[in-house]
Amino acid sequence: EPEVTQTPSHQVTQMGQEVILRCVPISNHLYFYWYRQILGQKVEFLVSFYNNEISEKSEIFDDQFSVERPDGSNFTLKIRSTKLEDSAMYFCASAKVRVPSNVLTFGAGSRLTVL
Amino acid sequence: AQSVTQLDSQVPVFEEAPVELRCNYSSSVSVYLFWYVQYPNQGLQLLLKYLSGSTLVKGINGFEAEFNKSQTSFHLRKPSVHISDTAEYFCAVSDVLSGGSNYKLTFGKGTLLTVNP
Repeated sequence: EPEVTQTPSHQVTQMGQEVILRCVPISNHLYFYWYRQILGQKVEFLVSFYNNEISEKSEIFDDQFSVERPDGSNFTLKIRSTKLEDSAMYFCASAKVRVPSNVLTFGAGSRLTVL
Repeated sequence: AQSVTQLDSQVPVFEEAPVELRCNYSSSVSVYLFWYVQYPNQGLQLLLKYLSGSTLVKGINGFEAEFNKSQTSFHLRKPSVHISDTAEYFCAVSDVLSGGSNYKLTFGKGTLLTVNP
């Protein structure tokens, strides 16, 4: 069964460093998303991406965050200068078709620890 | 905007016992409802979803959920659990008015189901 692949599974970084989290969505999917879950809190929407541009972003997704699809297969989330509060599990998701009832396929997550 | 409340952060049960994981939501518009499961070191996997029609929805692994509009609830149930059901369970909603590139899910905090022998 096709799956969404995320790397790295765990990254430890120092505060202020740049981090790039990578995702390989399912090959025929068109819609891409990042969610995150701070330990003990809810899974929160960060950003959605379609047709090579951001469709919607949450209040969390400030200027320190960016996304891109550099080569038609990878979908990356970059945090320019990490803060302690960026420590979380980051989930990538993708979807095939443009309907509200569409099902998102999630990756296993990338755990980011900022020291 | 929507919100989701999962009242129980942890639910320990014995194998073969029934279980109910509670989920309540609030929304000013109609919603779609979902339950996702996360096994250790794996992604979020869809268990079941309610879009319309019958309020009793059956999902994978013997789980079912019932949509109750008057109580704004979508509780997940299984009549007899197995050790392998140990996982984190997330309730989620989406706004029926959003779609495609604007589609997003609002999640609850999750309930850790631990099945003991």
